[in-house]
Amino acid sequence: KAGVTQTPRYLIKTRGQQVTLSCSPISGHRSVSWYQQTPGQGLQFLFEYFSETQRNKGNFPGRFSGRQFSNSRSEMNVSTLELGDSALYLCASSFGVSAYNEQFFGPGTRLTVL
Amino acid sequence: SQQGEEDPQALSIQEGENATMNCSYKTSINNLQWYRQNSGRGLVHLILIRSNEREKHSGRLRVTLDTSKKSSSLLITASRAADTASYFCATDATGNAGNMLTFGGGTRLMVKP
Repeated sequence: KAGVTQTPRYLIKTRGQQVTLSCSPISGHRSVSWYQQTPGQGLQFLFEYFSETQRNKGNFPGRFSGRQFSNSRSEMNVSTLELGDSALYLCASSFGVSAYNEQFFGPGTRLTVL
Repeated sequence: SQQGEEDPQALSIQEGENATMNCSYKTSINNLQWYRQNSGRGLVHLILIRSNEREKHSGRLRVTLDTSKKSSSLLITASRAADTASYFCATDATGNAGNMLTFGGGTRLMVKP
């Protein structure tokens, strides 16, 4: 079974631009979560989608948004990029939303904002 | 914000030795998961332990969970150079509507050949 895939793997943008990252979950998985990883803040939860509905949202500004499509693929968008948005963005998928679901992560998209 | 602390932050051992990493967390949990990350790449799922479990094994990995102390440990036995990576614990807090995980700061493990 193919794992979680994320595209693109690397991105370089300039301040003020916007960016869209894509995540394809493991086949059959309906939950997709997004995380930001930076050296200073570590791994932080952004948001989670299940069946096209946002179930949870982390403590990030409104510039960060996401959505999920009917095939469970998800995208996240960051508008008006800031230098501090430079990070590794990780997507995780799981089968459902019970308390015991393992979550499987993709390789990440490394975003550099200049 | 991060749920927990991992201890130690960095660990250097010789191949063949055992490595123990500890994780503490703050709230009641449904489960705790351990992940490995190589050099800024994606996270590899290692093991999930439920809140009603005390110990779990998977190959050379042994995880314990003490909910009264809000702590967990990951033991890697007979370590190999390929185990060199960062290890993170992540908790799924009780009351979460979905799959939100809160991560610790990680332990950087270096296994010297």
